[in-house]
Amino acid sequence: QEQLVESGGGVGQPGRSLRLSCEVSGFTFSYYAFHWVRQAPGKGLEWVAVISSDGSRTHYAESVKGRFTISRDNSKNTLYLQMNSLTAEDTAVFYCARDQGTPSGPLDYWGQGALVTVS
Amino acid sequence: DIQMTQSPSSLSASVGDSVTITCRAGQSISTFVNWYQQKPGKAPNLLIYAASNLQRGVPSRFSGSGSGTDFTLTISSLQPEDSATYYCQQSYSTPPWTFGQGTKVEIK
Repeated sequence: QEQLVESGGGVGQPGRSLRLSCEVSGFTFSYYAFHWVRQAPGKGLEWVAVISSDGSRTHYAESVKGRFTISRDNSKNTLYLQMNSLTAEDTAVFYCARDQGTPSGPLDYWGQGALVTVS
Repeated sequence: DIQMTQSPSSLSASVGDSVTITCRAGQSISTFVNWYQQKPGKAPNLLIYAASNLQRGVPSRFSGSGSGTDFTLTISSLQPEDSATYYCQQSYSTPPWTFGQGTKVEIK
């Protein structure tokens, strides 16, 4: 059974850092690209970052570029999001999600979400 | 960036009604559209991929259509458990992957 479990959320001060983790089980982690998607309170979904299956390629939303770093450890089946220079606008629930890998690239499995509050 | 515009932003319908949500892309994106359902406090759930393909395990009352710039998600016989917010997403020109603003469906 495919499972993605985020951890590492919490309260962070403006200007400080937090790191999210997403532990994956139930399928071969190293076969897939993964995304982070966030949702501010009462708002819609915002794509944050993506990493290729081997970790060699990453892309970021303009809103986080230069502050956030996506990475992965295929030996630990774990995805990460290092968030630096946090601002109040980063307050959101952060979801990790698997890229199905088909041309239309849907996100077919999601974690339960990790709440990050910057205050 | 490709903007995705959904309409309506919210709707209210009765059990058994047919409901249609539309999503318009800022430029032609072939069939590179996916649809998600999100219930309060839960993660999004993939319903439809590549415009019209039903994700495994999703009830057949959900369907998608469209190509180019205009896409629709239809719920053919609305059920109480369909109360949720629905999002379209494009994956044609990435990054970034962009979502519509969401459509909230309520049951009368």
